[in-house]
Amino acid sequence: GAVVSQHPSRVICKSGTSVKIECRSLDFQATTMFWYRQFPKQSLMLMATSNEGSKATYEQGVEKDKFLINHASLTLSTLTVTSAHPEDSSFYICSARDLNIHDRTNEKLFFGSGTQLSVL
Amino acid sequence: AQKVTQAQTEISVVEKEDVTLDCVYETRDTTYYLFWYKQPPSGELVFLIRRNSFDEQNEISGRYSWNFQKSTSSFNFTITASQVVDSAVYFCALSETNVYGQNFVFGPGTRLSVLP
Repeated sequence: GAVVSQHPSRVICKSGTSVKIECRSLDFQATTMFWYRQFPKQSLMLMATSNEGSKATYEQGVEKDKFLINHASLTLSTLTVTSAHPEDSSFYICSARDLNIHDRTNEKLFFGSGTQLSVL
Repeated sequence: AQKVTQAQTEISVVEKEDVTLDCVYETRDTTYYLFWYKQPPSGELVFLIRRNSFDEQNEISGRYSWNFQKSTSSFNFTITASQVVDSAVYFCALSETNVYGQNFVFGPGTRLSVLP
């Protein structure tokens, strides 16, 4: 089945540094990828929709200058947490749509394995 | 706006018991898609099932079964003869088509603990 690779799986960084998280679709092209954030014991909250070749669409309350999203190719989207602070510590997970599924009624989203970010 | 409710925050059962996880959704769209995902302690989301709004047929896959009731806007998930490996957080999700494509609204999740 389709695979989405997300790296790194875990990152610990100092406050003020920037962290980049990569989301790759390994065996399919993804025009659209989604970034979610999950706090401990809570549900996943959509942060932004990443569209290949255009600007990302951010959900209300998500700072676009804080969470930079780049979707430069059909197989890669990156999320950069700029000037990270302890309150940015969270579990970040991406998902990707498969471009080449002809039967959209059976389309699924494929999720990465997530990135646990801890900011000291 | 769409919404997904999973009223059960945590459930504990003893191995081999059957357990049903509830999911109630709200949407104004006539076409929508419902999903269940499993999130084990390792964190990744494992796809379990997708159900289209125009297909009310219930589904069974091994020990898993799903009951889709449009009349009550529910999409419940039953695990029969539960096993310790079923311990995880289970998310129900709803997707509506929008101009950018589908995105998901997740329910709050139900944490299932299966005790040996």
